[in-house]
Amino acid sequence: GAGVSQSPSNKVTEKGKDVELRCDPISGHTALYWYRQSLGQGLEFLIYFQGNSAPDKSGLPSDRFSAERTGGSVSTLTIQRTQQEDSAVYLCASSAQDRGEEKLFFGSGTQLSVL
Amino acid sequence: SQQGEEDPQALSIQEGENATMNCSYKTSINNLQWYRQNSGRGLVHLILIRSNEREKHSGRLRVTLDTSKKSSSLLITASRAADTASYFCATSGTYKYIFGTGTRLKVLA
Repeated sequence: GAGVSQSPSNKVTEKGKDVELRCDPISGHTALYWYRQSLGQGLEFLIYFQGNSAPDKSGLPSDRFSAERTGGSVSTLTIQRTQQEDSAVYLCASSAQDRGEEKLFFGSGTQLSVL
Repeated sequence: SQQGEEDPQALSIQEGENATMNCSYKTSINNLQWYRQNSGRGLVHLILIRSNEREKHSGRLRVTLDTSKKSSSLLITASRAADTASYFCATSGTYKYIFGTGTRLKVLA
């Protein structure tokens, strides 16, 4: 696709339910990042993928959070037993080298609301 | 927290004025980037400055970097109402980009 695609755009769920967020990166981008942004705040790093492997999972807030990437492309972020504090915008980015410089391309995010 | 800090948190200026925002970070970096975010959704890359560079220009944007002070500044000249957005700096470390807390810029027409 032309850009990073995230789905759903908005997700409202009840506390205790599981949710799955999807990110479809730009074709050919090997690096993929997940960030979380609470209202009016900065970006909190969650996890980084290089290909299908995740060398850095240090940002995942708890064991309720997991992520995978298959085929070096689509990634899913799963939150189990959602809590109200999980409410945030979840942003995905993929990256590519451009004349020796790497920059991130972001999707529009998934707004997650846990009631 | 490794998160960088930006100041001011919010800035309101008149169209045509210059806007300056600052970023401080905590770790050694390979480069520093600035991103813009509209309406709390996806960020757009603006400019990158390498750790061995001190100043860089792109259109109406001017970025400076002082690695001894671990700080950077973004200057937007001749601001326009369309520049209204949040601006974030990001530093690259091992495996990840660390974003600052952001500056919310409002340009009044």
